[in-house]
Amino acid sequence: TQLLEQSPQFLSIQEGENLTVYCNSSSVFSSLQWYRQEPGEGPVLLVTVVTGGEVKKLKRLTFQFGDARKDSSLHITAAQPGDTGLYLCAGAGGYNKLIFGAGTRLAVHP
Amino acid sequence: NAGVTQTPKFQVLKTGQSMTLQCAQDMNHEYMSWYRQDPGMGLRLIHYSVGAGITDQGEVPNGYNVSRSTTEDFPLRLLSAAPSQTSVYFCASSYSGRLNTEAFFGQGTRLTVV
Repeated sequence: TQLLEQSPQFLSIQEGENLTVYCNSSSVFSSLQWYRQEPGEGPVLLVTVVTGGEVKKLKRLTFQFGDARKDSSLHITAAQPGDTGLYLCAGAGGYNKLIFGAGTRLAVHP
Repeated sequence: NAGVTQTPKFQVLKTGQSMTLQCAQDMNHEYMSWYRQDPGMGLRLIHYSVGAGITDQGEVPNGYNVSRSTTEDFPLRLLSAAPSQTSVYFCASSYSGRLNTEAFFGQGTRLTVV
């Protein structure tokens, strides 16, 4: 069974701080996706990483896929209150059978 | 754009009752799926469909039935609700089942079984 472990589970920081969220597995994934979920809403895709070692930037968010395609990280620079939410990583586990991590709940305080 | 629409948004059931969670998408997507989200456990796949008339089980299918008679609709049926089925349910659709395809999620149905 493929599992994705996210850390930390909870993160509470002040506006302007930097943070990194990790997504780790003992299995190799052909791709990993990062989603952001706000209260009362469904997850929304932020990025998909496909190639080992790939780095993608989305404004203040930097996503990296490990060389062995077993792990990924999300780094946020100068966090803002609008970044508050649940961040989920998901690995492709078959015919678009997404396997989700438990998520990292981020709170950014003004 | 409506995207993926789920109804109802909230539901309380008594143990043993049955109900159907509705899901409709207007993007002509082939692939649709149902997940449940529980605290500390992320989203887990219940059932999925790769096209009208074709469905298959996911990770946690017991207690749930699905059918796909049209491209647009993918209802999830709870046959005899149990407290363990208290959860938030999300329907998702994507253009295809190929890897790396973006999944679009509905707003969820919060179900409580008492």
